[in-house]
Amino acid sequence: DIKMTQSPSSLSASVGDRVTITCRASQNINSYLNWYQQKPGKAPKLLISVVSSLQSGVPLRFSGSGSGTDFTLTISSLQPEDFATYYCQQTYTVPHTFGQGTKLEIK
Amino acid sequence: QVQLVQSGSELKKPGASVKVSCKASGYTFNSAALHWVRQARGKGLEWMGWINTNTGNPTYAQGFTGQFVFSLDTSVSTAYLQISNLKAEDTAVYYCARAAAIALGAFEIWGQGTMVTVSS
Repeated sequence: DIKMTQSPSSLSASVGDRVTITCRASQNINSYLNWYQQKPGKAPKLLISVVSSLQSGVPLRFSGSGSGTDFTLTISSLQPEDFATYYCQQTYTVPHTFGQGTKLEIK
Repeated sequence: QVQLVQSGSELKKPGASVKVSCKASGYTFNSAALHWVRQARGKGLEWMGWINTNTGNPTYAQGFTGQFVFSLDTSVSTAYLQISNLKAEDTAVYYCARAAAIALGAFEIWGQGTMVTVSS
């Protein structure tokens, strides 16, 4: 199975900060990398697919990059509604594994 | 609009079975695969497997064989997750999610989740 490792596991930041979350795959997953945002009590929401393709309606302050095994999610200027848990996921092969999550909290 | 609507919360005793439904609307049911994801309280997302909505063929992740069964009723555009011989450790929120072929299989639409609680 492909293991997805996110770092950090948690992060405290302030409104307006630039934040980067990294995700490393245990083997090459080409561009089959997605990012989700989950708020407490809610279903995950797809933010970015295929490394860097922003879903409709997702603010432009979110961006994704990377290739092969190393990927990043960047939020350019944190807004209050961005405090949530973020997951990366590979859909290159089954099982479609998720990272362990990064909890983004208000400093 | 495109949506997946899941059945409501369930409280079951150990050893019982439960069947969670996931009703699709707003799109052609057999045009996209459906996946199941588990999330225990306070934990991360765990991919359980998927079902081919054209053939009904299920694929299970390791750790989700035997006790878990995916099925379809295409006449009502609904997928099902049946869990038998429930244990306390099966207590979790279960999500269905639609994969987007155009986005290399990303889970673009999610159900709202079904909380299954197993307690005596």
